Amino acid sequence: AQKVTQAQTEISVVEKEDVTLDCVYETRDTTYYLFWYKQPPSGELVFLIRRNSFDEQNEISGRYSWNFQKSTSSFNFTITASQVVDSAVYFCALSEPMFSGGYNKLIFGAGTRLAVHP
Amino acid sequence: DAGITQSPRHKVTETGTPVTLRCHQTENHRYMYWYRQDPGHGLRLIHYSYGVKDTDKGEVSDGYSVSRSKTEDFLLTLESATSSQTSVYFCAISGSGRNLGGELFFGEGSRLTVL
Repeated sequence: AQKVTQAQTEISVVEKEDVTLDCVYETRDTTYYLFWYKQPPSGELVFLIRRNSFDEQNEISGRYSWNFQKSTSSFNFTITASQVVDSAVYFCALSEPMFSGGYNKLIFGAGTRLAVHP
Repeated sequence: DAGITQSPRHKVTETGTPVTLRCHQTENHRYMYWYRQDPGHGLRLIHYSYGVKDTDKGEVSDGYSVSRSKTEDFLLTLESATSSQTSVYFCAISGSGRNLGGELFFGEGSRLTVL
């Protein structure tokens, strides 16, 4: 069965530090998708990135970067030069194939709460 | 922003009473989902729908039922609420067709407290 593990429950850093959030997944499928979502204190869930299993290129978006390694079943998220506004709960998710077709059903990890202090 | 509206946003009810949460979308997306969020568990899928009148169970479906009579509305019903169903409930939608593996867009959540 699919599973997503975010071993870090809480991380606390000081502003401008770099921080990496770990995500390890389990799946028997050869085709799958991985996601990261952000949940700020206001409570909404914000989509950050999607990566399919055939694309292992790392991705960078501003201060955010993602490292996808199939060999270790990991999809880690790094924030460079963290800011107070990065304080949030971050969720990693894995798609699960649906018998109706598609891979739109997501299994979420328990989340990592990041606190960035000034 | 994806057009997703959840109602009610907050509800307090008593054990044993029925509760219905509504999710309304204006995006004409095929897939709709109900998740619950609890500390230490992240988001867990309750039920999802892949079309009008087409629904399936998720990992925590016991005690919940759903209905989808039209594309834009997906209802989650707790037939007889229990304290273990106190949670924040999120509705989500995603596209279809070529959008395989598409991201989910979430509503703002409905906080339910069962006393």
